[in-house]
Amino acid sequence: EAGVVQSPRYKIIEKKQPVAFWCNPISGHNTLYWYLQNLGQGPELLIRYENEEAVDDSQLPKDRFSAERLKGVDSTLKIQPAELGDSAVYLCASSLDTLRTQYFGPGTRLLVL
Amino acid sequence: KQEVTQIPAALSVPEGENLVLNCSFTDSAIYNLQWFRQDPGKGLTSLLLIQSSQREQTSGRLNASLDKSSGRSTLYIAASQPGDSATYLCAVTTTNFGNEKLTFGTGTRLTIIP
Repeated sequence: EAGVVQSPRYKIIEKKQPVAFWCNPISGHNTLYWYLQNLGQGPELLIRYENEEAVDDSQLPKDRFSAERLKGVDSTLKIQPAELGDSAVYLCASSLDTLRTQYFGPGTRLLVL
Repeated sequence: KQEVTQIPAALSVPEGENLVLNCSFTDSAIYNLQWFRQDPGKGLTSLLLIQSSQREQTSGRLNASLDKSSGRSTLYIAASQPGDSATYLCAVTTTNFGNEKLTFGTGTRLTIIP
């Protein structure tokens, strides 16, 4: 069974540029999560989807971050414009439903110069 | 606000030794607690999940315990191997009006010395 797939694995951009990350969850997993992980810290939730509905986006900085999961399968997280402080690892995870074990992708490592 | 603390931040032990990693949390009203492993440059892998009604879970050489009333969990690794070297993260799930939230600790970076 394929795990959670994320792309790209690495991204280097200049500040003020836009960037997008893509995630394909495990087949059949209704719940999808985007996390932000700073160096030496644990992941912090940005947004959680139940199918195509964003049910918890309270931690998403909506002035520059957006996300979508149009068909309730794969998802895209966008930053526009990127700032130096956005440099981090962006992790995607999925689970069968809420409160079940979450399976994580390898993450996208973003460096903003 | 739930806060999760892991001590120590880093640990080095010789191969073959048994070891304990510690996790504490401030709000005991949790749904479950998980231990994850993270290898450098990779995502997280769930090792053990303990429901709030359980006291411990075991998988191979790993044993995790949960004392919800005192807000503590331990991960015991028996007969450590170099392949166990990784960062171990503890995370607790709390629920609030149907919204679940997984709060992670900052992790313990474990190095097993051959």
